[in-house]
Amino acid sequence: DIQMTQSPSSLAASVGDRVAITCRASQGISFYLAWYQQKPGRVPKLLIYLASTLQSGVPSRFSGSGSGTNFTLTISSLQPEDVATYYCQKYDSVPPLTFGGGTKVEIK
Amino acid sequence: EVQLVQSGAEVKKPGESLKISCQGSGYKFSTYWITWVRQVPGKGLEWMGRIDPDDSYTNYSPSFQGHVTFSTDTSNSTAYVQWSSLKASDTATYYCARVGTGYNYRYGMDVWGQGTSVTV
Repeated sequence: DIQMTQSPSSLAASVGDRVAITCRASQGISFYLAWYQQKPGRVPKLLIYLASTLQSGVPSRFSGSGSGTNFTLTISSLQPEDVATYYCQKYDSVPPLTFGGGTKVEIK
Repeated sequence: EVQLVQSGAEVKKPGESLKISCQGSGYKFSTYWITWVRQVPGKGLEWMGRIDPDDSYTNYSPSFQGHVTFSTDTSNSTAYVQWSSLKASDTATYYCARVGTGYNYRYGMDVWGQGTSVTV
C-alpha cells in the first residue's frame, strides 16, 4: 500500500506568515491528491483537489502544488481562522485511499 | 442543498452489534461513492473504505476488512456501516463522505456528513 507522509506534524506561525505543509507519497499518484482542513471539533472540509485546484468558496490564500510523489499546501498569509489540522489524501484509482498523518497549525 | 445526514450518537457494550447510517439528499445518490472515515479521539483521519450505491461494489481498507460491512439502500438514499461485534477500540467518530464516479471522481470527497460518535 502507498504511504502518505506529512511534515511537519505541527507548526506555529504568526498572523500574516507564509506557511507550507508537505505531503510525500511512497509511490507516484499522479495528481490525485486532496487537502482537507479540520477545525477543532468540526467536520473535515475539502480545500484542494487534483493537487492544485481550489474547492469553490475556499480563500485564495490557500494553494496546492506538486505531482507524482511530492505535494505542498501553502497558506500565503496565515489568518486566525486558519487554525486547524490539515490532512492530505491520495485518491488515485488504487485503494486504500490513505490520509497523511495530519499537520496541526497554530498561531504563535 | 447537497447534504449527508448521519444517525445519532451511540453508546454500546463490547460484543454488541451496531449499524449507523448516512442519508444523502440534493443529488443523485447512485452516482457517488460513499466513503467511510474513522477518527479516534485526538487522532487523525483513517479511510475505512467505500461503496458504490449503484451496484454495491465495495473496497475495504485492510485495517477494517472483515470487521465492518458497508451497505446501501438506494430506495431511501442511505448508506450504512455495521459491526457484528464491537470492541472498545471501535470508539471513534465515524464520518461518511461522497466521491463522484466517472468524470466527477476528480473532485475528491466534497461533501461530508456531520459524523456519528460511537462509544464502546
